[in-house]
Amino acid sequence: GQQLNQSPQSMFIQEGEDVSMNCTSSSIFNTWLWYKQEPGEGPVLLIALYKAGELTSNGRLTAQFGITRKDSFLNISASIPSDVGIYFCAGEDSNYQLIWGAGTKLIIKP
Amino acid sequence: KAGVTQTPRYLIKTRGQQVTLSCSPISGHRSVSWYQQTPGQGLQFLFEYFSETQRNKGNFPGRFSGRQFSNSRSEMNVSTLELGDSALYLCASKRASGGAEQYFGPGTRLTVT
Repeated sequence: GQQLNQSPQSMFIQEGEDVSMNCTSSSIFNTWLWYKQEPGEGPVLLIALYKAGELTSNGRLTAQFGITRKDSFLNISASIPSDVGIYFCAGEDSNYQLIWGAGTKLIIKP
Repeated sequence: KAGVTQTPRYLIKTRGQQVTLSCSPISGHRSVSWYQQTPGQGLQFLFEYFSETQRNKGNFPGRFSGRQFSNSRSEMNVSTLELGDSALYLCASKRASGGAEQYFGPGTRLTVT
């Protein structure tokens, strides 16, 4: 079946640092979604991308839909403690199925 | 608008029992998807219901089943529980008119002992 490779698996960062994570696939997607999940809660939608090459921001978050339609990245600028959590990417394929990445766990060093 | 609600939030069951989980989607959303999440396993798709019909199904055994009612509320059932069924079960709803965005509930934490 289709797979999304999300990397890195986890990140230890200092408060104030910029963060970058990405998802790649061998398949083309029509939409890319980025979610954040905090412990004990369901994932929350952060950003949705609909067109190849699209760059969208949501506060300190910026995400891009890769021009090949096979990848996407999420950047977080000037990280703060409340950014901790697991970030998931998901791509919608031609059958309108969402394919999920395995998640990137963000941990802020004390 | 109220978000997706799931009941119960926590559940403890014994191996061999069955369990039913409930999900109420966002008002106006007609698609409901269910996911299983275990530590380190990400989100595993169980099934999607739209207008009371199962539209897609993941790779889970037949012990996992679901249904959707005319008001779009959905239930999922797991029969003959196994220890490995312990997980966070998430429900997500989506608008009927297109768009990939799914909106998740807080989940039901199921523990099988």
